[in-house]
Amino acid sequence: EVQLVESGGGLVQPGGSLRLSCATSGFSFSFHYMDWVRQAPGKGLEWIGRIRNKANNYVAEYGASVKGRFSVSRDESKNVLYLEMNGLKSEDTAVYYCTRELAADGVFDYWGQGTLVTVSA
Amino acid sequence: SYVLTQPPSVSVAPGTTARIACGGQNIGDKSVHWYQQKPGQAPVLVISHDTDRPSGIPERFSGSNSGNTATLTVSRVEAGDEADYYCQVWDSSRDHWMFGGGTKLTVL
Repeated sequence: EVQLVESGGGLVQPGGSLRLSCATSGFSFSFHYMDWVRQAPGKGLEWIGRIRNKANNYVAEYGASVKGRFSVSRDESKNVLYLEMNGLKSEDTAVYYCTRELAADGVFDYWGQGTLVTVSA
Repeated sequence: SYVLTQPPSVSVAPGTTARIACGGQNIGDKSVHWYQQKPGQAPVLVISHDTDRPSGIPERFSGSNSGNTATLTVSRVEAGDEADYYCQVWDSSRDHWMFGGGTKLTVL
């Protein structure tokens, strides 16, 4: 069974940093591109970024609103996806989901349950 | 940058057909994916690549895409279909995935 389990969310002050983790199991982690998507309270979905697989040199790509502040990485030995968030702003307050891309085609076929990040003084 | 437009809400009676539009310039040239999200839950893929239905998704869900509009159609709507629905495409001008604003489907 494919499982994605996020952790690391919580309350952080503006300007602070936080690292989210997504533990995966039940599939060949190294094969898939992995993405982060967030959802601010009462709002729609926003794509944050993704990291390609080893065959594609682990290239990371980001949405405009987080580029330069957030970093996506992966640990193949642990089957874990990470999201490093720096310079956090109040508008980064959201539920953060990790997702699996089915075939490097943007089809997010599995999602984690999400972890809430709240940026507030 | 590319803009995706969805109606904020669609309301239908049980047993009827709901059509949820996703508008974008020449969206027919893109591959569109659709997600269903119920309150307090993570999104679920319901249609990929315009028309493909993942295993486990009822045949009542179908998709189409042509010209400037992609459409998710839910036939014989049930109370359990009540949810937010999002379309998704690749924005080649910014090299990133993007979602429509979402449509709340209400079953009357």
